[in-house]
Formats: sequence, C-alpha cells, structure tokens
Amino acid sequence: EAQVTQNPRYLITVTGKKLTVTCSQNMNHEYMSWYRQDPGLGLRQIYYSMNVEVTDKGDVPEGYKVSRKEKRNFPLILESPSPNQTSLYFCASSFLGSQGAVETQYFGPGTRLLVL
Amino acid sequence: KQEVTQIPAALSVPEGENLVLNCSFTDSAIYNLQWFRQDPGKGLTSLLLIQSSQREQTSGRLNASLDKSSGRSTLYIAASQPGDSATYLCAAPNTGFQKLVFGTGTRLLVSP
Repeated sequence: EAQVTQNPRYLITVTGKKLTVTCSQNMNHEYMSWYRQDPGLGLRQIYYSMNVEVTDKGDVPEGYKVSRKEKRNFPLILESPSPNQTSLYFCASSFLGSQGAVETQYFGPGTRLLVL
Repeated sequence: KQEVTQIPAALSVPEGENLVLNCSFTDSAIYNLQWFRQDPGKGLTSLLLIQSSQREQTSGRLNASLDKSSGRSTLYIAASQPGDSATYLCAAPNTGFQKLVFGTGTRLLVSP
C-alpha cells in the first residue's frame, strides 16, 4: 500500500530535550516536505527536499533541522524544543513534474507534539 | 509572494444540496492547483489536482475548476452527504513551483 508514515504519532516532551520525528514514504517520490498546522494559521511549510541531499527552507524553518540521506526518509529534528513548537506536524511527499513542479501530495497521518 | 484565500471559512448545509467552495490565489503564474480534504485530527487527502492547462477536473461527485486569469478555483460538490463533512483546503504553488501555499480551509458540515 502506498503511504507516508510518521512516528511517533503523539509526543509530549519538555523544553530543550532534543527530539526527532521520522517520516518515510514507499512511493519513490523525489519531493518530501514538512508542515506544521496551527489553529487560525493553517498549514505552513517548515522544510522541503527536492531529492537526496537537497533540502531548502520553507516559511517557518527556525528551530528545526532536516536531512535527506535516503530517498524514502526525511526526518524532522528539533534540537532544543520550545513551547511555541507545540503543534500538529505533517510530512508529505510527491513526484516532481516537468519544470520541477510539485505534483499530487500525499500526507502522513500527523504527529501531535506538546512541548512543556 | 503567493497568498491563498478560502471563503467561506465555514459552511453548513442540509444533505442533498449542491455546494461550491471558493479558493483565490494572488500569483496567477501557477503550474497546478490542488484540493485536499482533512478530517478532524487526521492528515490531508488529495482530492483533485488541476494542471494550469486544464480548466476543470472531475472525480465522482466532485468537480474542480480553475481560472488562472482571475486567480480563482472552485470545488463543486454535488448531492452532498453527511460523509462529506470535513475541512477542504486548496493549495497553490509559489513562484518556482516548489513550495505549496495552503489556504486556511473551509469547514463543511452536511446535516442529515
């Protein structure tokens, strides 16, 4: 089954304790992306990757890191989480069309993070 | 910078009605536009993707149209059902087509 998986689904942590949220896709997609979703602000892009070893900042990259060492995996790293990073996080992937454009995006189920 | 707006923010209709959800975008030089559905606490599910060369795309009871010149897209839902209750989001790419900008969504409630 074609899917994007994220782990963990729920996470409660404390300020400053490093954490990693994993994301994996089995569709051989070039493009992967991380979003956060907050009430009233909608979905905002954190980082994206066009292919292995190619990553770039989205609209809200501060406080986050990513890496793309393998095509299927795109982990999100919070080196020193803070309460303002409490949010619902989504990973997504897609093929790239001509002109390098993002095609249909497939989303993971989400990770709900609470930073105390 | 691409900005995406969805109106209305919420919509409540009785079962069986046909309805239209609206999406506006500021940068008309888009490559495509996507519509998604999100159930509460869940991930997004892609409904339709319209390429810039297309004017509309259909899937079952859903029909999405795209008018680049006016910066608008609509999602038409025919014969609405309670199972259609969800939040519907549209997304358009920014300049360069490599980042998606999402609207804040329309929350739809279909009552039996």
